[in-house]
Amino acid sequence: AQSVTQLGSHVSVSEGALVLLRCNYSSSVPPYLFWYVQYPNQGLQLLLKYTSAATLVKGINGFEAEFKKSETSFHLTKPSAHMSDAAEYFCAVSPRMDTGRRALTFGSGTRLQVQP
Amino acid sequence: DTGVSQNPRHKITKRGQNVTFRCDPISEHNRLYWYRQTLGQGPEFLTYFQNEAQLEKSRLLSDRFSAERPKGSFSTLEIQRTEQGDSAMYLCASSKLAGSTDTQYFGPGTRLTVL
Repeated sequence: AQSVTQLGSHVSVSEGALVLLRCNYSSSVPPYLFWYVQYPNQGLQLLLKYTSAATLVKGINGFEAEFKKSETSFHLTKPSAHMSDAAEYFCAVSPRMDTGRRALTFGSGTRLQVQP
Repeated sequence: DTGVSQNPRHKITKRGQNVTFRCDPISEHNRLYWYRQTLGQGPEFLTYFQNEAQLEKSRLLSDRFSAERPKGSFSTLEIQRTEQGDSAMYLCASSKLAGSTDTQYFGPGTRLTVL
């Protein structure tokens, strides 16, 4: 079974500081990995995805993530935080297409606070 | 593309009542998913349709829950005899296969409160 662990339910950074949100996955084969962002009372917006092409993936709003198979990690980073980045971030893992299964498994989320 | 839409956005009901939610996927997306999200948690998968066929169901989908996608377009999720534990955000997502990937795009959700 696949699972995702997000270390740190809350992360607080100062505006302009580096953002690092951690995600580790457990899967018997390299999966597809996603980061989504959720603003209050809204649905989830896709930030970026890893589908076994480049290990460094660039997404929207200046975010990027690096897939590290040896560490089973897919951490999300942004060089300089903006106030508008304050939100809940979810890492998710998807089975590979050839399994016939499609359900995403999400981590429990990390709430990012950005201090002025 | 217009995004995934869900109606209603909020629903308050009394325990024991039935409720039905609707999801309209992105046009031409043949896959549609339902998830449930409780406070402070990530979404949990409920069920998945490819066109009108329901191909995958979670253990979370008890016999009080039923989902349909009769013409392969919009979908409905019905909860019968609601319980307070059903209070959650119900999220719908849609996707279509593009190359080797199948990215799910989410709607704004329907927040259910059971009194």
